[in-house]
Amino acid sequence: AQTVTQSQPEMSVQEAETVTLSCTYDTSENNYYLFWYKQPPSRQMILVIRQEAYKQQNATENRFSVNFQKAAKSFSLKISDSQLGDTAMYFCASLHTGTASKLTFGTGTRLQVTL
Amino acid sequence: DGGITQSPKYLFRKEGQNVTLSCEQNLNHDAMYWYRQDPGQGLRLIYYSQIVNDFQKGDIAEGYSVSREKKESFPLTVTSAQKNPTAFYLCASRQGPNTGELFFGEGSRLTVL
Repeated sequence: AQTVTQSQPEMSVQEAETVTLSCTYDTSENNYYLFWYKQPPSRQMILVIRQEAYKQQNATENRFSVNFQKAAKSFSLKISDSQLGDTAMYFCASLHTGTASKLTFGTGTRLQVTL
Repeated sequence: DGGITQSPKYLFRKEGQNVTLSCEQNLNHDAMYWYRQDPGQGLRLIYYSQIVNDFQKGDIAEGYSVSREKKESFPLTVTSAQKNPTAFYLCASRQGPNTGELFFGEGSRLTVL
C-alpha cells in the first residue's frame, strides 16, 4: 500500500517570510505523480503544485516550489513571500499510475500566516 | 463553467436512515472518486470509478455504496451500516485513470443526530 507522511501537524510563519512543509512517501513503483493541495477554511481543495516522478527538475508555480528528492522519497513544499491568504491546510498526495490508480493523501499540515 | 457539483452542502440524518450524496461533473472526466475527511486523518478513499458501469472499493468502503450509470454522475449512499457516518465528504474527478490531478467539489457535510 502507498503511504504519505506529513510530520508537521501545524506550522506558523510571518507574512513575507518563507516556510517549508515536509512530506515523505513510500512507493515501490517508478511511475507516479506527487501533488500539494491547499484546503482553505472554505474546505475547497485547490491544487497548488504537481510533480511527475520522471522529471528531475523541481516544479515551480509562482511563490510555490518543491524540493523533490526521489531517492529519499521526499517532497517538500516551499512557500516564499507568505501571504495571509496562504493560511490553510496543506495536503501532500501521491498518485501511482496503473490499473488501480488512486490518490493517497497525507494527514495534512495546518499553516497559519501571521502579521 | 466546468466543474464538480456536490449536493447537498449540509445534511442531517437520524440514526438508521440511509442518505445519498450527489456528485455531478461536466468536465467529461472518466474517473470519479469519493473521499471522506475527518479531523486529523486527512482524506480517505471510499470508492472510485474509472469508467461508466464500473467501480472499485477504496480503503474504507464498508457501510457505503455507489453507482456509476452515467459518466457525469457518481452518487454515494451512506447506509445505516456505516457506524460513524458524521464526516465531510469530498467528490473528485480526473480525466483518465493515469492522467493528471484530481479536481474536487466543494464537499458535503453529513451529521448524524
